[in-house]
Amino acid sequence: TQLLEQSPQFLSIQEGENLTVYCNSSSVFSSLQWYRQEPGEGPVLLVTVVTGGEVKKLKRLTFQFGDARKDSSLHITAAQTGDTGLYLCAGARSNYKLTFGKGTLLTVNP
Amino acid sequence: DTAVSQTPKYLVTQMGNDKSIKCEQNLGHDTMYWYKQDSKKFLKIMFSYNNKELIINETVPNRFSPKSPDKAHLNLHINSLELGDSAVYFCASSQEGGTGVETQYFGPGTRLLVL
Repeated sequence: TQLLEQSPQFLSIQEGENLTVYCNSSSVFSSLQWYRQEPGEGPVLLVTVVTGGEVKKLKRLTFQFGDARKDSSLHITAAQTGDTGLYLCAGARSNYKLTFGKGTLLTVNP
Repeated sequence: DTAVSQTPKYLVTQMGNDKSIKCEQNLGHDTMYWYKQDSKKFLKIMFSYNNKELIINETVPNRFSPKSPDKAHLNLHINSLELGDSAVYFCASSQEGGTGVETQYFGPGTRLLVL
């Protein structure tokens, strides 16, 4: 059972465009985490959102946690080629388990 | 100053063989994990250890046996390798576990190909 639905699965855009990636679930999580994975490497944490309705900004990246703590979004403003990578959302509960979405493969073209 | 390291990085082997993957973290973390990432990039938890004790065994075939000799190491031994075991295996660690907000630090992955 896929608990976290991530969309879109693939996204190819031009440099300078904006984009949003969505992560949805029918379950409540203690926190929602966003990771970025580059080819040949392990995922690296970008941000953790904990409180319903929380918004966090990391330079051109804006992360939002839904009020009911079941969904999250990642918005990138003015994408750059360096943003290319696999973006993974993951839901955490107090059971040592991170449940990952299937990822969004982002390609930013020059 | 590598935080989470895994060896080997690449592993190519024949079906039926037994192989081990090693993981070490120098972050002083209490909890370590093994994940499997399939060809479609889906990352799934396999095992979790906290202070050398098994916490999570996520319905993994018993051909897979993790071993934690100490808090800094979590190794994965796989018996009778099958074609479907081909994947990238990631080790991770976190300062604590079970809080729901802990940050996990991932190793670089071991690319296993079973022929």
